[in-house]
Amino acid sequence: DVKVTQSSRYLVKRTGEKVFLECVQDMDHENMFWYRQDPGLGLRLIYFSYDVKMKEKGDIPEGYSVSREKKERFSLILESASTNQTSMYLCASTRTSGYQETQYFGPGTRLLVL
Amino acid sequence: AQSVAQPEDQVNVAEGNPLTVKCTYSVSGNPYLFWYVQYPNRGLQFLLKYITGDNLVKGSYGFEAEFNKSQTSFHLKKPSALVSDSALYFCAVRDTANAGNNRKLIWGLGTSLAVNP
Repeated sequence: DVKVTQSSRYLVKRTGEKVFLECVQDMDHENMFWYRQDPGLGLRLIYFSYDVKMKEKGDIPEGYSVSREKKERFSLILESASTNQTSMYLCASTRTSGYQETQYFGPGTRLLVL
Repeated sequence: AQSVAQPEDQVNVAEGNPLTVKCTYSVSGNPYLFWYVQYPNRGLQFLLKYITGDNLVKGSYGFEAEFNKSQTSFHLKKPSALVSDSALYFCAVRDTANAGNNRKLIWGLGTSLAVNP
């Protein structure tokens, strides 16, 4: 089974802090994704990566950056956390870029910015 | 523009009754459709997908979905609901409008299913 893990289930940070969210997948997947999930807004794509050191902006990249130094690991960085970044963050991966590919999700990180 | 709509924010059904969670879509080209489920405080789990072939797709936990091209719908169904089916359900479609974006999914806003004992 594919396993996608996220470094923390819950995080509490203060405004202005730099925050790192880590995601690791164990199935050699090419593509990895970061979403945020907010009530009534569904899932919104922040960034995705289709290869090591490659990244593309999603729908809401402002205030975020990402890093993919190794194939299995995709990090989301909040350069200066703000209260409007309080959310559930979900990481996902897919094996290839084919249309039929299923996204596999981690358990999520619930971030509270005070 | 490509889009996915889940017209119901919440669906309530009694245990043992059939359930339907609705999804309609708008895409250019062939649709690649997915259903995911999210149990409380968990990540999303894949339920089923339609790529091509039979219009009735069977998935995990006894769920199935019916693809209807003329109505551009992909409704999720289950013949007999369980209390444990209570969760948030998301419909998604592959973004096929731009070859560079074929890795992305377009998501519905989700439907909260409550199955009452």
